[in-house]
Amino acid sequence: AQSVTQLDSHVSVSEGTPVLLRCNYSSSYSPSLFWYVQHPNKGLQLLLKYTSAATLVKGINGFEAEFKKSETSFHLTKPSAHMSDAAEYFCVVSDPGGSSYKLIFGSGTRLLVRP
Amino acid sequence: DAGITQSPRHKVTETGTPVTLRCHQTENHRYMYWYRQDPGHGLRLIHYSYGVKDTDKGEVSDGYSVSRSKTEDFLLTLESATSSQTSVYFCAISEFPGQGVHEQYFGPGTRLTVT
Repeated sequence: AQSVTQLDSHVSVSEGTPVLLRCNYSSSYSPSLFWYVQHPNKGLQLLLKYTSAATLVKGINGFEAEFKKSETSFHLTKPSAHMSDAAEYFCVVSDPGGSSYKLIFGSGTRLLVRP
Repeated sequence: DAGITQSPRHKVTETGTPVTLRCHQTENHRYMYWYRQDPGHGLRLIHYSYGVKDTDKGEVSDGYSVSRSKTEDFLLTLESATSSQTSVYFCAISEFPGQGVHEQYFGPGTRLTVT
């Protein structure tokens, strides 16, 4: 069975400093991996996706993630945090089983950006 | 943004009453999903549909039923609401998961409170 672990429930950074949100996955298949962002009282928005074409994936709003098979990790990074990045972030793995490709969500990391 | 709407956006109901939540899409995507979001759990799949009249259970389906009579509409029914079903409910859609990456697009959510 596939699973995903987000290693930090909360991360706090100062505006202008780098962001690192950590994610480890478990998969018996070649996984599809995603990061979604959820701003307060909003739905989920796709930040980026891993397609197996390239291990470094660039997403929206300056975020990127690197797929490391040897470490079973898919950490999300951004060089310089903005106040608008404050949100909850979900690492997600796709489970290609049965008649649907289900998404398995991590428990989320809440990012706080300090002025 | 993907054309997904959910109704109602907020609902308060009493224990034991039936409740139906509606998801409507304008994207003509084949797959539709219902999730619930609770603190510390990320999103958990309730039911999904892989076509008109074709549905299947997710990981937390007890106490819920679904119906899909048209491509664009996916209904979630709580036959007899309980306080444990107080949650935020999200609908999602995806295209037919052939080859490629199978991201899902999410609606704005429905906040349900069962008193």
